[in-house]
Amino acid sequence: GAGVSQSPSNKVTEKGKDVELRCDPISGHTALYWYRQSLGQGLEFLIYFQGNSAPDKSGLPSDRFSAERTGGSVSTLTIQRTQQEDSAVYLCASSVDGWYEQYFGPGTRLTVT
Amino acid sequence: ILNVEQSPQSLHVQEGDSTNFTCSFPSSNFYALHWYRWETAKSPEALFVMTLNGDEKKKGRISATLNTKEGYSYLYIKGSQPEDSATYLCAQGSSNTGKLIFGQGTTLQVKP
Repeated sequence: GAGVSQSPSNKVTEKGKDVELRCDPISGHTALYWYRQSLGQGLEFLIYFQGNSAPDKSGLPSDRFSAERTGGSVSTLTIQRTQQEDSAVYLCASSVDGWYEQYFGPGTRLTVT
Repeated sequence: ILNVEQSPQSLHVQEGDSTNFTCSFPSSNFYALHWYRWETAKSPEALFVMTLNGDEKKKGRISATLNTKEGYSYLYIKGSQPEDSATYLCAQGSSNTGKLIFGQGTTLQVKP
């Protein structure tokens, strides 16, 4: 079946612009996660959606970052007024439920110039 | 231990060598321990999910053990092959949240 998909695969943007990153999870998966990997760093948790519960936003680095998940499926991560330190690979993952194995998408490589 | 920690950070072995890595995690509020393999230019792929103290799981030449009381897990690779070269990530799930906290990973390089 179809896996987790993300778009775009690459995004180059100018400092100060807003960007939107999209994630399509595996159908039926109730849990959706956003992570990022900055150069030389490990996987950093950003935000976690579980069903209809309020999302766990504890990993968002600043109020420039926001995410939503519409209809319990597709999710969009928005970064406003991008900064060079936002350059990273942004990964989305979904799972059947929290704590189960996560299936990762191919990632979006964001470069802020 | 407050965070998930992995050691060593990197490892270089010869083809055919057996190797192992360590993942240490907080033992309080433990729910699950995950291992993922992350190959260059690919997405992380789940290897194992373990929940019970004493769990042992095996997939081909790769196996893992779990000790929740002392807060550690070992990943073993028997007879390493060049295709095993990847970063191996462990992650802990806590009982009070469904999110995973990942370690920094162990990068394995297997030389032919």
